[in-house]
Amino acid sequence: NAGVMQNPRHLVRRRGQEARLRCSPMKGHSHVYWYRQLPEEGLKFMVYLQKENIIDESGMPKERFSAEFPKEGPSILRIQQVVRGDSAAYFCASSPGMDSPLHFGNGTRLTVT
Amino acid sequence: QKEVEQNSGPLSVPEGAIASLNCTYSDRVSQSFFWYRQYSGKSPELIMSIYSNGDKEDGRFTAQLNKASQYVSLLIRDSQPSDSATYLCAVNRGGAGSYQLTFGKGTKLSVIP
Repeated sequence: NAGVMQNPRHLVRRRGQEARLRCSPMKGHSHVYWYRQLPEEGLKFMVYLQKENIIDESGMPKERFSAEFPKEGPSILRIQQVVRGDSAAYFCASSPGMDSPLHFGNGTRLTVT
Repeated sequence: QKEVEQNSGPLSVPEGAIASLNCTYSDRVSQSFFWYRQYSGKSPELIMSIYSNGDKEDGRFTAQLNKASQYVSLLIRDSQPSDSATYLCAVNRGGAGSYQLTFGKGTKLSVIP
């Protein structure tokens, strides 16, 4: 029973490029959450999605960041025109429902040079 | 502003001793409380959840909650070197798996053989 799968594990981008982070939830899980962990900081909620719907994006920066969870395929967190401050670990979590504990993936470590 | 505070550590304990990790939170309406363990470079792993005042035991782990004092702790008995990790306290307003978890920055635990 595969867990939450994220790829790539490490991603290096130059300033101004686009970063695409992918997340496949655990089998049977239809709720996906993205969190960001900055160096020496706690995990911060970014966005909560269900299939084809963004439920809550209150933690996501208004500009340059977007997320989707299409009917088919993984959830995608997209960061346009990356800046050095975007360097962080981005974790995806999934659950079968809102009242279930979150299971985290191994994260994507984004480095912006 | 909702906050979760933890001592950053590092907390060093000898093998076999009890490790005590503490967490305070500012949002009085918080309902659900979680402890996650995160090894370096890995994803957070849920180890304990607690929803009502008192103690909850699971193997070598005991979570303690005092809502009046807005305080939650994690005790690890018979600490092992494999327990060396960063322990994250997380709280939310309601629902067992409510997505807007607020995390502390974590306490780094080092168990000395």
